[in-house]
Amino acid sequence: GQNIDQPTEMTATEGAIVQINCTYQTSGFNGLFWYQQHAGEAPTFLSYNVLDGLEEKGRFSSFLSRSKGYSYLLLKELQMKDSASYLCAVMDSNYQLIWGAGTKLIIKP
Amino acid sequence: SAVISQKPSRDICQRGTSLTIQCQVDSQVTMMFWYRQQPGQSLTLIATANQGSEATYESGFVIDKFPISRPNLTFSTLTVSNMSPEDSSIYLCSVGGDTDNSPLHFGNGTRLTVT
Repeated sequence: GQNIDQPTEMTATEGAIVQINCTYQTSGFNGLFWYQQHAGEAPTFLSYNVLDGLEEKGRFSSFLSRSKGYSYLLLKELQMKDSASYLCAVMDSNYQLIWGAGTKLIIKP
Repeated sequence: SAVISQKPSRDICQRGTSLTIQCQVDSQVTMMFWYRQQPGQSLTLIATANQGSEATYESGFVIDKFPISRPNLTFSTLTVSNMSPEDSSIYLCSVGGDTDNSPLHFGNGTRLTVT
């Protein structure tokens, strides 16, 4: 079966750095997406990785290792507004999106 | 990215009734998707809305329960029929995913509570 694993919850301090991991086992691979979802709101797109390596976008970076079936989302200079759930999703060989359950990130002052 | 308007944003409905959720996109799109997100859980794809043909439903979802319309390339509706409390969830319309690097973008969602 297809599976995406992420930690359920993480806590970090304002101003710090946090890394949210995602491991996957899917039927084929056509890219990995990260989304941010604030409580009660719809997910918003953060990043896309299809090749190995690091993609940087301001305070957020996303890394992919296809051989390890592994990705992480790195958030720097954390702000209170970064408190949200972060969803990892993989597009399989049929271009279907497989979603992780999300990681709830709690930022403390 | 496309602007997606979804309504209603929330509703409280009685058991046995039906609710139709509308999704309007500001540009023509090929693929429109309907997702459900139950409290504390991940997104589950209900169906893909196809223009000019019947929707394609995922395992566990049937047309009688979740009829979908797609009259044109900018609009779709999802009806939740004969509701029960188990249908209480957030329902999300999304577009995109046409190619392998095209992200999905979501409407603001409909928060449904069935009493």
